[in-house]
Amino acid sequence: RKEVEQDPGPFNVPEGATVAFNCTYSNSASQSFFWYRQDCRKEPKLLMSVYSSGNEDGRFTAQLNRASQYISLLIRDSKLSDSATYLCVVKKGGSARQLTFGSGTQLTVLP
Amino acid sequence: NAGVMQNPRHLVRRRGQEARLRCSPMKGHSHVYWYRQLPEEGLKFMVYLQKENIIDESGMPKERFSAEFPKEGPSILRIQQVVRGDSAAYFCASSPPVRANTEAFFGQGTRLTVV
Repeated sequence: RKEVEQDPGPFNVPEGATVAFNCTYSNSASQSFFWYRQDCRKEPKLLMSVYSSGNEDGRFTAQLNRASQYISLLIRDSKLSDSATYLCVVKKGGSARQLTFGSGTQLTVLP
Repeated sequence: NAGVMQNPRHLVRRRGQEARLRCSPMKGHSHVYWYRQLPEEGLKFMVYLQKENIIDESGMPKERFSAEFPKEGPSILRIQQVVRGDSAAYFCASSPPVRANTEAFFGQGTRLTVV
């Protein structure tokens, strides 16, 4: 079983749609959680951290359920520029060497 | 403040040749990490270095791969006698000294193609 599992998609949605991505992780010792965005053939970039209380950044909302070891990302009012691969990332300690990446969920927002 | 700089961006090598990938961390960052991304897969940790020290190389293959981060100059990931399976995107990330929730910043990657 992979340490971090995501639905690979692809998700093809029209502009303005709401789309949700799910992620599960297997290591209960995981301490920090993130969503990264990776555009085609580019480097991953931090989209947002994920907190147990849930957090929102504009059109993006992230949720964490530690009991179920489940992370989600909700994107409202999708834009064409949201098209990318979204990586669920889990960290066991304070160092970036302990980042574990999911394989990513591909999103295409259609005009 | 320039970001993490990697070069070359694209590298083509024939089987059996050596590949050298370079990474200059962000200014003020003393920690460097190398990750590999195979097609259709997530990034996999390879090695973590500080200046002149390898801290953790648990993700690096035991043979043909080596990494260094000298006192002066960029970090180098070296792959000897490359094989087709080494074809991947290699990303370098850097971070400041470790504290809780330290974010790592990624370079644009080097895409290695072995022919």
